[in-house]
Amino acid sequence: DTEVTQTPKHLVMGMTNKKSLKCEQHMGHRAMYWYKQKAKKPPELMFVYSYEKLSINESVPSRFSPECPNSSLLNLHLHALQPEDSALYLCASSQADSYNTEAFFGQGTRLTVV
Amino acid sequence: AQTVTQSQPEMSVQEAETVTLSCTYDTSESDYYLFWYKQPPSRQMILVIRQEAYKQQNATENRFSVNFQKAAKSFSLKISDSQLGDAAMYFCAYREGNTPLVFGKGTRLSVIA
Repeated sequence: DTEVTQTPKHLVMGMTNKKSLKCEQHMGHRAMYWYKQKAKKPPELMFVYSYEKLSINESVPSRFSPECPNSSLLNLHLHALQPEDSALYLCASSQADSYNTEAFFGQGTRLTVV
Repeated sequence: AQTVTQSQPEMSVQEAETVTLSCTYDTSESDYYLFWYKQPPSRQMILVIRQEAYKQQNATENRFSVNFQKAAKSFSLKISDSQLGDAAMYFCAYREGNTPLVFGKGTRLSVIA
């Protein structure tokens, strides 16, 4: 199983809503990532979890709150978002302790903030 | 910091022809990995091919091959016998150790029937 599953695939939310994005993998990867991708741009790294601990936060606003409840799951909690936060949110996973391996990506959640 | 440069925002190729996408990178490290990812309209980033920096032999995966020039810090992707399904955004990426991937800005490839 080389799949990273993200739900939902599409999400429309108002600026006062609270929602969560979910990501799941069963490859035994201990590093998981959240990326934000705007149209025709490369993915921008937001957060990295390594062994269920937050290891990198790329100065992301606090309205984005990541959570890694166990080694297979990664959540991104959203609250009081702005229209400019509309984007494709990609989850990825990779081995955490093997040198130089590729990351596997989910299909992403297309988020629209209205 | 490591940087990855893709100088071709858009490319096009006739079906069944060959196209080469360019990528250069900057690093002071000697051991690292390079990747080409494909992102079709379905959105999922799919690994096309990877190259270990310590291997001199260029990686090949079916119709996809790379030209890895370590001294020149160049890592181009050649797609042979292009197919309509090859149309996508292609991202070159760099990784060393356990650091996250560093992506180039991408090249949008169109395939003309």
